[in-house]
Amino acid sequence: NAGVTQTPKFRILKIGQSMTLQCAQDMNHNYMYWYRQDPGMGLKLIYYSVGAGITDKGEVPNGYNVSRSTTEDFPLRLELAAPSQTSVYFCASSYAGYTEAFFGQGTRLTVV
Amino acid sequence: ELKVEQNPLFLSMQEGKNYTIYCNYSTTSDRLYWYRQDPGKSLESLFVLLSNGAVKQEGRLMASLDTKARLSTLHITAAVHDLSATYFCAANTDKLIFGTGTRLQVFP
Repeated sequence: NAGVTQTPKFRILKIGQSMTLQCAQDMNHNYMYWYRQDPGMGLKLIYYSVGAGITDKGEVPNGYNVSRSTTEDFPLRLELAAPSQTSVYFCASSYAGYTEAFFGQGTRLTVV
Repeated sequence: ELKVEQNPLFLSMQEGKNYTIYCNYSTTSDRLYWYRQDPGKSLESLFVLLSNGAVKQEGRLMASLDTKARLSTLHITAAVHDLSATYFCAANTDKLIFGTGTRLQVFP
């Protein structure tokens, strides 16, 4: 079982560049989430989605965009990368709002 | 807006000892989750607590939920080195919000 798959695992960006972090799940989950985790810190919610076509902001949405055109995929777009976006990004999914969330392996992003 | 706080942030404990990690949240939520994260790894689900008074146990870890006090606890019994990790709680209203984490180190 693949579960939640994130690509790429590592990426170095230059300031001002853009990129898309990919997230796919094969569990037919309705809810999907994007978090960032700064070194030695907790997880901050960036965006989440309760189903295809529905997205909403989390705690720290500035500088990011998302879309959810299918149940399986939830890409995170970074426009005009900044050093403050250096972090580890985790995607997660859950069947419903009250069920446990399963996490991908993370994408380590460095902006230089 | 939902806020989730954990304490302590860091816990160093000797093998064989007992200790409790506390998780407080700011608004009404009937759903509380505990996760474990090993260094450089992703998060692994430990417990799902869905109602007031819920208690779940797995090995040396036991989690409980008091929705009236907006408090969850993760109790560690007779700690062993393999429990060394960072433990997160998370609460859910419309968003799944995580606490700051408790970094646990168990030494001989």
